[in-house]
Amino acid sequence: GESVGLHLPTLSVQEGDNSIINCAYSNSASDYFIWYKQESGKGPQFIIDIRSNMDKRQGQRVTVLLNKTVKHLSLQIAATQPGDSAVYFCAEGNYGQNFVFGPGTRLSVLP
Amino acid sequence: DAGITQSPRHKVTETGTPVTLRCHQTENHRYMYWYRQDPGHGLRLIHYSYGVKDTDKGEVSDGYSVSRSKTEDFLLTLESATSSQTSVYFCAISGPTGPIAGALSSYEQYFGPGTRLTVT
Repeated sequence: GESVGLHLPTLSVQEGDNSIINCAYSNSASDYFIWYKQESGKGPQFIIDIRSNMDKRQGQRVTVLLNKTVKHLSLQIAATQPGDSAVYFCAEGNYGQNFVFGPGTRLSVLP
Repeated sequence: DAGITQSPRHKVTETGTPVTLRCHQTENHRYMYWYRQDPGHGLRLIHYSYGVKDTDKGEVSDGYSVSRSKTEDFLLTLESATSSQTSVYFCAISGPTGPIAGALSSYEQYFGPGTRLTVT
């Protein structure tokens, strides 16, 4: 399948533990942010999004935190499972305009 | 993959040859995008389209052209392939047809499965 990258930062977590993946974004004017998950050989899949007027949003087992002061976004995954192993990356943008994607972090779940 | 297909899925070609990649959607989304993905880089936008015959350049458009004669098809052409164009290419769609479950906005992009292109 299509490999995402050989030089990505890697986060290794034990199955059942919580994972925190971080992303620093560049444009203080960005008003919309998305987290994507990309499994080996597949295209990116939407996980969760957040607007700039929010600082936290929760989904099923995932939470996104936004700190606009330091232009930082994080994705928390609760009770990490083997199926969560993938590359995760954030995207920043403005409504109606194109997104800028981060390089990604590889999450490895250890049995 | 939200009704998006890409063809071919894999291609090996020689330097200097023309190559066309096809993206086909069944979702009737207005916006379509071509990205390339390389080690150490995030997805980089090549070209995008806001409708039939309405296309524009992204950040890495040199050496690429696109066409969109129908809503459902977005073609990416490498007129004369070079080794630097070896990459994985992703098509994406989005549009104001309503957000997917759990999303705040309809500008969220759905991605195709990708095409691995090797230029030798």
